Amino acid sequence: DQQVKQNSPSLSVQEGRISILNCDYTNSMFDYFLWYKKYPAEGPTFLISISSIKDKNEDGRFTVFLNKSAKHLSLHIVPSQPGDSAVYFCAASVGNNNDMRFGAGTRLTVKP
Amino acid sequence: DGGITQSPKYLFRKEGQNVTLSCEQNLNHDAMYWYRQDPGQGLRLIYYSQIVNDFQKGDIAEGYSVSREKKESFPLTVTSAQKNPTAFYLCASSLGQGVTYEQYFGPGTRLTVT
Repeated sequence: DQQVKQNSPSLSVQEGRISILNCDYTNSMFDYFLWYKKYPAEGPTFLISISSIKDKNEDGRFTVFLNKSAKHLSLHIVPSQPGDSAVYFCAASVGNNNDMRFGAGTRLTVKP
Repeated sequence: DGGITQSPKYLFRKEGQNVTLSCEQNLNHDAMYWYRQDPGQGLRLIYYSQIVNDFQKGDIAEGYSVSREKKESFPLTVTSAQKNPTAFYLCASSLGQGVTYEQYFGPGTRLTVT
């Protein structure tokens, strides 16, 4: 039972435009959410996180939005750059516990 | 420079054989984790260890075993009891066990069992 779902396996955007990656979850107990980025032949690296007490967290070009009522979060990348091309994983956790549930990932391609 | 190493990058084994995947970190992290990734699925937790000589089962521990005799090492053994061992395996570590501690991942080992 996948508690975290990324329904778009891939996304292609033009350089300079906005990339929006979506993630849905089913477990209402999740209260901490993270995005990881993975390049080929490398392990995932942490990108940005958000606690359920917030609905937005921003770090440079990256912003994560959380809609608790819809059990939905999204990652916005503005402006998108070719170096952002990677697989992005959404993850969620209950409480202060590093036992995370990951989505299947979305492959982002940013075209020059 | 600090990081997590997993070796080898690719591993091939015959069905019925046990195989051990290596994971070493020099980040002085207390917590370490093993995940498995299959096509179209997210990372799934196999085992995790919060401290030396202690480890807990994750969601899919059946057919796997681990040990944590040293802080820097957390090897994973895929036993012959694991029904579908072919997968991409990722090791990670974090300074602490709480979720606010970022997990650092190794490059992964792709295991193929035929």
